[in-house]
Amino acid sequence: DVKVTQSSRYLVKRTGEKVFLECVQDMDHENMFWYRQDPGLGLRLIYFSYDVKMKEKGDIPEGYSVSREKKERFSLILESASTNQTSMYLCASSLEGLDEQYFGPGTRLTVT
Amino acid sequence: KQEVTQIPAALSVPEGENLVLNCSFTDSAIYNLQWFRQDPGKGLTSLLLIQSSQREQTSGRLNASLDKSSGRSTLYIAASQPGDSATYLCAVAGTASKLTFGTGTRLQVTL
Repeated sequence: DVKVTQSSRYLVKRTGEKVFLECVQDMDHENMFWYRQDPGLGLRLIYFSYDVKMKEKGDIPEGYSVSREKKERFSLILESASTNQTSMYLCASSLEGLDEQYFGPGTRLTVT
Repeated sequence: KQEVTQIPAALSVPEGENLVLNCSFTDSAIYNLQWFRQDPGKGLTSLLLIQSSQREQTSGRLNASLDKSSGRSTLYIAASQPGDSATYLCAVAGTASKLTFGTGTRLQVTL
């Protein structure tokens, strides 16, 4: 079974802090994704990566950056957290191209 | 820009009923459509993926259909159980591996 893990289930940070969210997959998948999920807005794609050191902006990349130094790990970085980044963050991976996506358990981030 | 709509937003049915969840999308140029289940506060679990060339996929009590030309998909759940209570999301894949999600249907199956 594919396993996607995220470093924290719950996280509370202060405005202005630098925040790192980590995601690891164990199935040698090429593609990795970061989404955020908000009530009434659904899931929205922040960034994705189709190879090591490669990244592409999604629909809402503003205020975020990403890092993929190893194939299995994809990090989402909030350079200076703001209250409007309070959300559920979900990581996903897929083998390649348009294959089925597998999701991690999510990180609920609260910025105060 | 692709838009995905799921109706109804919430649904309550008694145990044992068969039910249909609906998903519609505005741009028929899709590669595939995926149905997910999400339990409260948890991540998404993939249920079924239908390629654009397929009409339907089945897994156990679940059957998903796709009518690409009309921009519609349905998820049929047979003999519903309380354990089926969750939010069901559909997502369509367009270019560059990107999924566009609907906002989901929250299903409650009552005893």
